[in-house]
Amino acid sequence: AQSVSQHNHHVILSEAASLELGCNYSYGGTVNLFWYVQYPGQHLQLLLKYFSGDPLVKGIKGFEAEFIKSKFSFNLRKPSVQWSDTAEYFCAVNPSSGGYQKVTFGTGTKLQVIP
Amino acid sequence: DGGITQSPKYLFRKEGQNVTLSCEQNLNHDAMYWYRQDPGQGLRLIYYSQIVNDFQKGDIAEGYSVSREKKESFPLTVTSAQKNPTAFYLCASSPGRSEYEQYFGPGTRLTVT
Repeated sequence: AQSVSQHNHHVILSEAASLELGCNYSYGGTVNLFWYVQYPGQHLQLLLKYFSGDPLVKGIKGFEAEFIKSKFSFNLRKPSVQWSDTAEYFCAVNPSSGGYQKVTFGTGTKLQVIP
Repeated sequence: DGGITQSPKYLFRKEGQNVTLSCEQNLNHDAMYWYRQDPGQGLRLIYYSQIVNDFQKGDIAEGYSVSREKKESFPLTVTSAQKNPTAFYLCASSPGRSEYEQYFGPGTRLTVT
């Protein structure tokens, strides 16, 4: 079974600061990796995903994440955060396959951006 | 306008009563899921269904039941056997293949007193 760790539970940044949220997973095989975001009062939605190819993936709103297989990591980054990035961010992983595989979510990181 | 609807947004029940949460999708997705979200615990899978008339227990299925009689509907019943039912419940769907993301509904906040 796979597991996901998000070590930062609550992050507070000033606008224009750079962001990096950590995500580490444990699983012995190949995986698909996701970052979801939950803005206040809104649905949980996909920010970006990796399933093959270039390990540096770009998502919506200027976010990117890098898959480092040797470190079992998929950290989320943004060079300059905005107040509107205040949200809760979830990392998720599932084993790669052609069919359904159970997705495991991390415990989430709450990001608060101060104007 | 495609998406997932959950109703109601807020639900209040007395302890000992069963309650059913609704989840409907018009995305023509094969797979549907129920998660429970508690502060500091992320999303925990309750049940999932890959096709109509089939569903599987997730990590925390005790005290819950589901049905999948139609592709677009996946209701969740929180029974009186669930020891700590007060939570935020999220329904999701996906096309089914592992590389596809899940699409989430707005959630139902259940309070049991």
